[in-house]
Amino acid sequence: GESVGLHLPTLSVQEGDNSIINCAYSNSASDYFIWYKQESGKGPQFIIDIRSNMDKRQGQRVTVLLNKTVKHLSLQIAATQPGDSAVYFCADWGTGGGADGLTFGKGTHLIIQP
Amino acid sequence: NAGVMQNPRHLVRRRGQEARLRCSPMKGHSHVYWYRQLPEEGLKFMVYLQKENIIDESGMPKERFSAEFPKEGPSILRIQQVVRGDSAAYFCASSPQEGAFEAFFGQGTRLTVV
Repeated sequence: GESVGLHLPTLSVQEGDNSIINCAYSNSASDYFIWYKQESGKGPQFIIDIRSNMDKRQGQRVTVLLNKTVKHLSLQIAATQPGDSAVYFCADWGTGGGADGLTFGKGTHLIIQP
Repeated sequence: NAGVMQNPRHLVRRRGQEARLRCSPMKGHSHVYWYRQLPEEGLKFMVYLQKENIIDESGMPKERFSAEFPKEGPSILRIQQVVRGDSAAYFCASSPQEGAFEAFFGQGTRLTVV
């Protein structure tokens, strides 16, 4: 079962440095993955997505890597800025875009040090 | 084109009262998903609705919780006889079609049960 009440993992990086946020998923049938950014008091905001037939996708300052062998997903943020401070969640979508919604990871709190 | 609108943003209820949370999807979106987020946790899927239909409510507690998405008007998440454990942030998201989840979330309703 899942643990509840655990503090979110925290990643602290210097402004301007690159950051890597990791995520493990359990459903080998997942075929679509999304990274979200959630700022304090706000709803999740879409950052980037990747389908299971890809292993890398790049956006503006962000790159998502997918390793299906070990069921691992990572989000790389280049040249971090103060506005990048937030909680980052990975989520996976069930097989065939099914009706069970997204399954979210617990999230990582990214703190940007000046 | 307004985003997903949720109201109220904050809701305080005494134990035993009813809570009604509203979600107006983006224009043109007929699919609505509700999620619950406990402090320091990721979002947990509750229910998926299309207009006038509940498609999947597998994530919703069987008692006290109900959801609807009428032909006209917003989607409503209703919690009867609230308890302290219902305190959480409730988010809804909407998409134009199933399986093409475009990840538009509302700002959430923060429910506090006192």
